Amino acid sequence: AQSVSQHNHHVILSEAASLELGCNYSYGGTVNLFWYVQYPGQHLQLLLKYFSGDPLVKGIKGFEAEFIKSKFSFNLRKPSVQWSDTAEYFCAVNARGLTGGGNKLTFGTGTQLKVEL
Amino acid sequence: KAGVTQTPRYLIKTRGQQVTLSCSPISGHRSVSWYQQTPGQGLQFLFEYFSETQRNKGNFPGRFSGRQFSNSRSEMNVSTLELGDSALYLCASSLRAGGDSYEQYFGPGTRLTVT
Repeated sequence: AQSVSQHNHHVILSEAASLELGCNYSYGGTVNLFWYVQYPGQHLQLLLKYFSGDPLVKGIKGFEAEFIKSKFSFNLRKPSVQWSDTAEYFCAVNARGLTGGGNKLTFGTGTQLKVEL
Repeated sequence: KAGVTQTPRYLIKTRGQQVTLSCSPISGHRSVSWYQQTPGQGLQFLFEYFSETQRNKGNFPGRFSGRQFSNSRSEMNVSTLELGDSALYLCASSLRAGGDSYEQYFGPGTRLTVT
């Protein structure tokens, strides 16, 4: 079975601090990787995605993530956070070999980020 | 382009009843997936429909079922409701073509409360 781990459940940062959220998955085959964000009172939004190619992917709002295949990791980074980044962040994995190329996402438990002024 | 829409947004039901939730995908999207979100279990995959056929299924009991119509709209049904079915039910749509996967876009969800 596929599993996704997000090690940081709650993170508190001051504005302008750098952010790195960890994500590890267990599936050894081909994967599609995603980070979603859920702002207070809003629905899940896609932050960035990795399908293939350059392992460093850039998303919206200055976020980026690096896929390290040997470490089964897809960590999310932002060099300087803003108060408006306060939200819950979810890592998600589509284990292609297990889903027949379909759209079954396995989510991590989420990281609640609070950015203080 | 309009996003994924779900109806109703809120629902209160009694144990033992059944419920039907509806999802309209983004125009042109042919894949619809359903997820359950709870504080204890997080986000869990229920099932995916593509071209009116169930293509993937999560680990939920048979009380949870779904279907997709020819216009790609989807419904999910939960029969014999239990207190533990209280959750936010999310629908996501995706292009999906052949063996390729695409990113999924989520709707606002239906908040189901079972009393």
